[in-house]
Amino acid sequence: KAGVTQTPRYLIKTRGQQVTLSCSPISGHRSVSWYQQTPGQGLQFLFEYFSETQRNKGNFPGRFSGRQFSNSRSEMNVSTLELGDSALYLCASSPGTREGEKLFFGSGTQLSVL
Amino acid sequence: DAKTTQPNSMESNEEEPVHLPCNHSTISGTDYIHWYRQLPSQGPEYVIHGLTSNVNNRMASLAIAEDRKSSTLILHRATLRDAAVYYCILRDKSNFGNEKLTFGTGTRLTIIP
Repeated sequence: KAGVTQTPRYLIKTRGQQVTLSCSPISGHRSVSWYQQTPGQGLQFLFEYFSETQRNKGNFPGRFSGRQFSNSRSEMNVSTLELGDSALYLCASSPGTREGEKLFFGSGTQLSVL
Repeated sequence: DAKTTQPNSMESNEEEPVHLPCNHSTISGTDYIHWYRQLPSQGPEYVIHGLTSNVNNRMASLAIAEDRKSSTLILHRATLRDAAVYYCILRDKSNFGNEKLTFGTGTRLTIIP
């Protein structure tokens, strides 16, 4: 099976712009969750989608949004970028049907905001 | 969600066992203990998880204290490929569908050749 694919791998934006990141989960997985990773904060949960519905949301401002398509692919959008949004953005997929399931992570998108 | 505490960094010699500790003194009865690791330039990967009993798989062993307030990930024979950041997290099985996992900063394991 192909793993979780995130595109693009690297992205450079300037303050005020918006960005869209993409995540293709493992075939058959219906849950996609997104995380922000920074050196000081570690990995922090952004949100989770399951069957095209946002099932859970972390403590991030409304500038961070996402969606999931019928094929379970997910996109994450950040509007009005700030310098502090520079981070590695990771998505993870899982079947989404049992507690404690393994999460399968992609390699991430490294976003730099200048 | 209950928090975990891990040392920031550890070193170990190649081909020796490694014991990575994790404290979770506020663990609840429905919390699973999960371990993930993140190799350089990659996303985290699942290592092992357990609830009460010790667990073994091809990658590692998980030793859980009797009171469940701490656990230890054991790599039986470390190789250079085991150099990574190791995360210990708690996942509440009663919180399914409402998890807000936070991995913290983990333990950076360095393997000395």
